[in-house]
Amino acid sequence: GAGVSQSPSNKVTEKGKDVELRCDPISGHTALYWYRQSLGQGLEFLIYFQGNSAPDKSGLPSDRFSAERTGGSVSTLTIQRTQQEDSAVYLCASSLEVTGELFFGEGSRLTVL
Amino acid sequence: KQEVTQIPAALSVPEGENLVLNCSFTDSAIYNLQWFRQDPGKGLTSLLLIQSSQREQTSGRLNASLDKSSGRSTLYIAASQPGDSATYLCAVPNSGNTPLVFGKGTRLSVIA
Repeated sequence: GAGVSQSPSNKVTEKGKDVELRCDPISGHTALYWYRQSLGQGLEFLIYFQGNSAPDKSGLPSDRFSAERTGGSVSTLTIQRTQQEDSAVYLCASSLEVTGELFFGEGSRLTVL
Repeated sequence: KQEVTQIPAALSVPEGENLVLNCSFTDSAIYNLQWFRQDPGKGLTSLLLIQSSQREQTSGRLNASLDKSSGRSTLYIAASQPGDSATYLCAVPNSGNTPLVFGKGTRLSVIA
């Protein structure tokens, strides 16, 4: 596709349920990032994939959060046993290379009731 | 750890004014700096990317400058228009490496 694609755009779930958020980066981009933006807050880094290297998971807030990237392309962010404080917009970005320009998707808005 | 500060947090100007948004960062060992725009309920749109070897970058009415030694960047918007109303964010790599660290943004309102 022409840009970074994320789905779903909106997700409402009940506390304790698991959710999966999907990111389809720009074709050919080797780097993929997940960020979180809570209401009124700045962007918080979660996890970063670069090619075949081990991902940088240093931003994941708890072990309930995990992400994978299959075939160097599509990525899935999984949140297990969701809590109300997980409510936020989850943004995915990709870049052609490590030092390249970042391009963001429109985000997935997660609401945990 | 890299910290990014943006001043002012919010700005309201009449249409047609030229304006400057400021960004400062604590670790000058960066290889680039990027400015983004975010409209309400939307993702981020890349505006300008300045490499560490560059002093400025221009795109249309936007001009971004970079002073690595002082840890500062400015985004200059000429002849502002109501369509420029958005939140503007700057971002730099964390201590010379990815991932990008973002400021909290400047919320701009341009009044017709």
